[in-house]
Formats: sequence, C-alpha cells, structure tokens
Amino acid sequence: GAGVSQSPSNKVTEKGKDVELRCDPISGHTALYWYRQSLGQGLEFLIYFQGNSAPDKSGLPSDRFSAERTGGSVSTLTIQRTQQEDSAVYLCASSLGTGMDQETQYFGPGTRLLVL
Amino acid sequence: AQSVSQHNHHVILSEAASLELGCNYSYGGTVNLFWYVQYPGQHLQLLLKYFSGDPLVKGIKGFEAEFIKSKFSFNLRKPSVQWSDTAEYFCAVKGSQGNLIFGKGTKLSVKP
Repeated sequence: GAGVSQSPSNKVTEKGKDVELRCDPISGHTALYWYRQSLGQGLEFLIYFQGNSAPDKSGLPSDRFSAERTGGSVSTLTIQRTQQEDSAVYLCASSLGTGMDQETQYFGPGTRLLVL
Repeated sequence: AQSVSQHNHHVILSEAASLELGCNYSYGGTVNLFWYVQYPGQHLQLLLKYFSGDPLVKGIKGFEAEFIKSKFSFNLRKPSVQWSDTAEYFCAVKGSQGNLIFGKGTKLSVKP
C-alpha cells in the first residue's frame, strides 16, 4: 500500500479491558509517531520511534500506555485496563527521517477507540 | 514548552470569499511550521510547510502561508475559497523530538 495503514479502524471495548492498536508505516520510513485526537484535548503527541527505539516516552498519558516497534516497521500501541477517558482517535504518522527534507509526516486514517 | 494558538474555532464563508486563518506559536528560536488539513471523513494531509528561506510559502490547492518572525505568526491564506475547502485546518510547529505540536484546529465551512 502507498500510505500509512492502521487497524482496527474502530474498536469498542469495555472499561478495564486491554486493547492493542496497530500501525503499518510507509515502506522505508524510519520515523514513526503516535498521536491522540480527542474533543477536549485536540491532537496530542504520544510517542516517537526512530527505527525500533523510542528515546522519550514522557508523552504517554499514563503507565497503562505502552508502545513498541519491531523490525523498524510495524508498531503497536497497547492500552491496559482501559478507562473511558481513553476514548479518542489514535493516529499514527511516519516520515522518511528527521532531516529537513525528510520530515514531512504522513498520517494514517486512525483507530477510533470507544471505551464503554 | 512550545505551543500553538489558532484564533478561530469555526469560520463560515461564502464561496469566492478570501480566507485567512490565524496561527501563533510560542517559541522564539528556529522553527519549522506546518499547516495540515483534514477533510470530512479523511485523514490529515499536509498543505504546506516552512523550514527556512522565503517566508511566503505556497502549498497545494492554492493555499499559502506567511511566516512573520516578529509576530510569531504563520497565517494561512487563500484568495478565493471553494465549497470543497470545507475542512478542519491545523497549524503545527515541530517539537524537540521531531513530533508535531498542533493547535486546536479551525473548522472552515464554505457555503455554496
């Protein structure tokens, strides 16, 4: 595929359950970003990967949130013991790198998460 | 910490009207600035970006933005809007990790 893909597109879960969200970046893109878009908070940055490593995890809202990236490609964002305030659209973006001409971030369609 | 302010929450225009959406950022050093657009039901797309050089940046679909360092501003403009420009527009600045720090967004509704 040509663009960033995310799955599932929609997820409804019960409070307290764990969820796993997946992002497949554009082939060859080394940088990968997770954001959250919610009505009250707008677009918030969560975490960034350069290759497989995430230098700074301080953007994650709580220790219930974790993310990993393997093989420099697919990334998963896991939310444990979901709460209603976790309901949002989770967006993934990727870019070629972090140099000036490589920084354009391409966004996926997002996963809409609803916690009941 | 860097931040971005977008002054208008919702703008309503008639077709052919001129558009200017305000954006101010907080950081006084070197900045990389972006405007993204989200059409109804679609994902975020890049409209234009500024890294350095000519402060008047031209993007896709007839949009342009002007970087004014003294005013910490990066306003988006279009001389004549179309109904198809109805969307939400986000201004962003590059953060310390290469992430984007977004404003709250401005919804644009264009009446045919």
